Amino acid sequence: EIVLTQSPDFQSVTPKERVTITCRASQSVDSTLHWYQQKPDQSPKLLIKYASQSISGVPSRFSGSGSGTDFTLTIDSLEAEDAATYYCHQSRTLPWTFGQGTKVEIK
Amino acid sequence: EVQLVESGGGLVQPGGSLRISCAASGFPVSSNHMNWVRQAPGKGLEWVSVFYSGGNTYYADSVKGRFTISRDNSKNTLYLQMNSLRAEDSAVYYCARMMQWVIDYWGQGTLVTVSS
Repeated sequence: EIVLTQSPDFQSVTPKERVTITCRASQSVDSTLHWYQQKPDQSPKLLIKYASQSISGVPSRFSGSGSGTDFTLTIDSLEAEDAATYYCHQSRTLPWTFGQGTKVEIK
Repeated sequence: EVQLVESGGGLVQPGGSLRISCAASGFPVSSNHMNWVRQAPGKGLEWVSVFYSGGNTYYADSVKGRFTISRDNSKNTLYLQMNSLRAEDSAVYYCARMMQWVIDYWGQGTLVTVSS
């Protein structure tokens, strides 16, 4: 099983700051790594697919990078509505796995 | 418009069984890989099972032998039959569509609580 480890677990950020979340895989997933946002009492929402591909309707302040085992989700100029938990997810190899999540709080 | 609507969750005793459903609209479930993903209260996401468009099915080790995924193409519905339920199976169960190996749509979830 491929283990995905996110860091940090929690981040408290001021609006307009840049947020960086990393996801490290226990073995290579190539670029088959995706990012989701989950707000309280809501279902997850796809933010970035295949490490860096943007999703229609997702604000351009969200971007992703990386390949192999190391990946990054960046939120440029954080807005209040970005308060949520963010998960990385690999679909390279069954069983599909998720990172443990990174909770972003707005100061 | 793609929609996934889960139903059938509830309270069940340890060792009991439950079948949850996911009614899809806006696309045929038979043409996509369909997943169940769960989330225990206050915890992260855990993949449970997938029904490939071609018919193969796979399960997480934690549910293998106890859960069965199925689909009814005529009803455009995905199911998860859960047997021998344990307290640790308590979670919100999400139905999720996978398109080109990316989970792109999620349902709103159905809560399953295993408790005496």
